[in-house]
Amino acid sequence: ELKVEQNPLFLSMQEGKNYTIYCNYSTTSDRLYWYRQDPGKSLESLFVLLSNGAVKQEGRLMASLDTKARLSTLHITAAVHDLSATYFCAASNAGGTSYGKLTFGQGTILTVHP
Amino acid sequence: KAGVTQTPRYLIKTRGQQVTLSCSPISGHRSVSWYQQTPGQGLQFLFEYFSETQRNKGNFPGRFSGRQFSNSRSEMNVSTLELGDSALYLCASSLETGTYGYTFGSGTRLTVV
Repeated sequence: ELKVEQNPLFLSMQEGKNYTIYCNYSTTSDRLYWYRQDPGKSLESLFVLLSNGAVKQEGRLMASLDTKARLSTLHITAAVHDLSATYFCAASNAGGTSYGKLTFGQGTILTVHP
Repeated sequence: KAGVTQTPRYLIKTRGQQVTLSCSPISGHRSVSWYQQTPGQGLQFLFEYFSETQRNKGNFPGRFSGRQFSNSRSEMNVSTLELGDSALYLCASSLETGTYGYTFGSGTRLTVV
């Protein structure tokens, strides 16, 4: 059974600092997704990572995927208050018809302070 | 283009009742999946439908069921509601295999009293 673990679960950052959120998954998966959720809102898609070594960047966020280590990272550069939210990673089992089932990590609550 | 539309946004039901939630996917998306989000259990997969067939199923009791229509719209039904069913129910749509990601709707907040 696929399990996804994120760490840290809580992250308090100062504006301007850099940090990384880690996402480990337990079995083979070739698809990794990152989402952002603001309080009381739905999930907003950030990145779709489909292959080993994939790296994607959008603004101050950069995500990468290492399928051999079963690890994805979400790196935050020079944090700003607007990045405060809960960040989720999700993976799906490789192959067959299992793509439609996402297994989510616990979420990382990010708070950026002035 | 229009996003994923879920109705209703909020529901209050009494224990023992049943409820039906609706999800209209993005035009052209044939996969619709459902998730339950609670503070204690996080985001949990309920089921996924593709071309009117249930393709994947999570570990929820049989009280939770769903279906998909020929226009890809999906409904989820929960019978004999329990207090623990109070949650945010999210649906997501995608093209066939999620290569371009999954787009989530705004969710239905269900409160069981």
